[in-house]
Amino acid sequence: KNEVEQSPQNLTAQEGEFITINCSYSVGISALHWLQQHPGGGIVSLFMLSSGKKKHGRLIATINIQEKHSSLHITASHPRDSAVYICAVSRNTDKLIFGTGTRLQVFP
Amino acid sequence: KAGVTQTPRYLIKTRGQQVTLSCSPISGHRSVSWYQQTPGQGLQFLFEYFSETQRNKGNFPGRFSGRQFSNSRSEMNVSTLELGDSALYLCASSLAAANSGNTIYFGEGSWLTVV
Repeated sequence: KNEVEQSPQNLTAQEGEFITINCSYSVGISALHWLQQHPGGGIVSLFMLSSGKKKHGRLIATINIQEKHSSLHITASHPRDSAVYICAVSRNTDKLIFGTGTRLQVFP
Repeated sequence: KAGVTQTPRYLIKTRGQQVTLSCSPISGHRSVSWYQQTPGQGLQFLFEYFSETQRNKGNFPGRFSGRQFSNSRSEMNVSTLELGDSALYLCASSLAAANSGNTIYFGEGSWLTVV
């Protein structure tokens, strides 16, 4: 079993829909990262969370430390949101561990 | 402020050759970490350098090595290339260690094809 699990693996949506991507992890962490990767390879860090909730524009990330679970929400989705979203966790004095990613396609 | 710069962006090598990839972190960042991304294995951690010292190493064979210079620029080297080394190699920088909870900034990556 992977230490970081994401669901769903693939997600399609119509423009304007509300989207949720989930991340569960099985280890104690110091922080959780949500990353976005567009075709072509470059990765952008969207959020870094250690507790609670963060919001940036149409993106919201939440984390529940007790349940070892985080969600990334996209409100009013747009085709430019189409990308792979990757959850990664960091632990003190240890390497980053990545989920397998969620491929999102938003159609007009 | 310039982002993380990786060179070269694309390269093709032959089995058995060696390759060196370069990463220039954001100015002021002392941590540089390297990752390999393949369709089958996803993103995997290679190693991390902080102030010229290797802090962490992933589960890769000794053919994979790296170093960091005093100006925080980093290089990674893969010797005796194998077909399975074909991948996107990503570099990331952060102010402090990548696992410390600091935001991580990624480069665009170096696409390596081994033929």
